[in-house]
Amino acid sequence: QSALTQPPSVSESPGQSVTISCTGTSGDIGRVSWYKQPPGTAPKVMIYEVTNRPSGVPDRFSGSKSGNTASLTISGLQAEDAADYYCSSYTDSYVVFGGGTKLTVL
Amino acid sequence: QVQLQESGPGLVKPSDTLSLTCAVSGDSISGDNWWGWIRQSPGKGLEWIGYISSRGITHYNPSLESRVTMSVDTSKNQFSLKLSSVTAVDTAVYFCTKKRGGVGHFDYWGQGILVTVSS
Repeated sequence: QSALTQPPSVSESPGQSVTISCTGTSGDIGRVSWYKQPPGTAPKVMIYEVTNRPSGVPDRFSGSKSGNTASLTISGLQAEDAADYYCSSYTDSYVVFGGGTKLTVL
Repeated sequence: QVQLQESGPGLVKPSDTLSLTCAVSGDSISGDNWWGWIRQSPGKGLEWIGYISSRGITHYNPSLESRVTMSVDTSKNQFSLKLSSVTAVDTAVYFCTKKRGGVGHFDYWGQGILVTVSS
């Protein structure tokens, strides 16, 4: 089961775009999902199966994958996007999470 | 709307067994779904503990497998977690979750319950 590496923090100004990476340490990164977790709340899925958005998630959120690195891009940043973001990989019925990235909207 | 609600002791002594229950409303625990647990140590990231199907098939995190037991009670529409021989490192917020069969993500989460391991 591949471990997942995320940058500890990213920051950007409102209206700009930001990309958070998630790199698997071995083999295929598998089926990737992304979760948003504001302080003191439960995580919420924002992207699943690499590129899919659940109903209700703004299309400012998009996902992609290249090789063993998945990415979450948030365009048109808003103050409400500030949160911790976690990637997750699902392979052979097992799940692993990245360490999380704290997004600061300046 | 599916809702998950964790319950259980907020304080567990070292070496004891942590026991939590998740009540499911708005959905039947039977069917092609998986019901799981994820924890988050204070100030830390998410850690997958495992999940169980309504038929009792389980998948556990290999790092916790020797201490974890999950079960399902279809009559009460709830599922449970037991984690044995706990230490301070098991102090965390424990979330119960729902995952649909055939997908790799958790689309519903409980609000979480803080469990502290301390004498």
